[in-house]
Amino acid sequence: DQQVKQNSPSLSVQEGRISILNCDYTNSMFDYFLWYKKYPAEGPTFLISISSIKDKNEDGRFTVFLNKSAKHLSLHIVPSQPGDSAVYFCAARGTTPLVFGKGTRLSVIA
Amino acid sequence: DAMVIQNPRYQVTQFGKPVTLSCSQTLNHNVMYWYQQKSSQAPKLLFHYYDKDFNNEADTPDNFQSRRPNTSFCFLDIRSPGLGDAAMYLCATSRDFARGSNQPQHFGDGTRLSIL
Repeated sequence: DQQVKQNSPSLSVQEGRISILNCDYTNSMFDYFLWYKKYPAEGPTFLISISSIKDKNEDGRFTVFLNKSAKHLSLHIVPSQPGDSAVYFCAARGTTPLVFGKGTRLSVIA
Repeated sequence: DAMVIQNPRYQVTQFGKPVTLSCSQTLNHNVMYWYQQKSSQAPKLLFHYYDKDFNNEADTPDNFQSRRPNTSFCFLDIRSPGLGDAAMYLCATSRDFARGSNQPQHFGDGTRLSIL
């Protein structure tokens, strides 16, 4: 039973355009959501997070949006750069430590 | 500056031969976690330590055990590895994870375990 779902295994975007990565969840008890970025042969790196009391959090080129009624969050990267090419994991916390999605592989094409 | 360090990066062991993976941290975080990640899958939490308190996930096989001798170190012991245990093992730390305490987890680079 996957509580955190990233339905797009991969996404390709041209350099300079917007990348939008999506994540859906099923557990209404989740109160904290995070995005991690993972390069090959490295561990996941924390990117940005959002509390369930907010609907938007921005950090430079990265913005996370949370729609609680739809149980959906998204990560926007603008402008996308070739160095953003990586696997992005969505994660959520409820009464237990983090539950992760399967990840979306983003390729930014120069 | 590596803050969560996992050793070794690659480990090969024989079927049924016990193996220990190591994790250390310089962040002085209260919580240490072990995850198993198989190819194209989500990282799966095996267990975590909150200080000295051990918390096992319900579906973690008995074959997997952990030790945390002090704040800085945590070990993952696999007593009798099977072929299905070949995976990337990720260690992570955080200051806390209680509701209202929005602390991200910080990951090491993982140990890739192969079983012959």
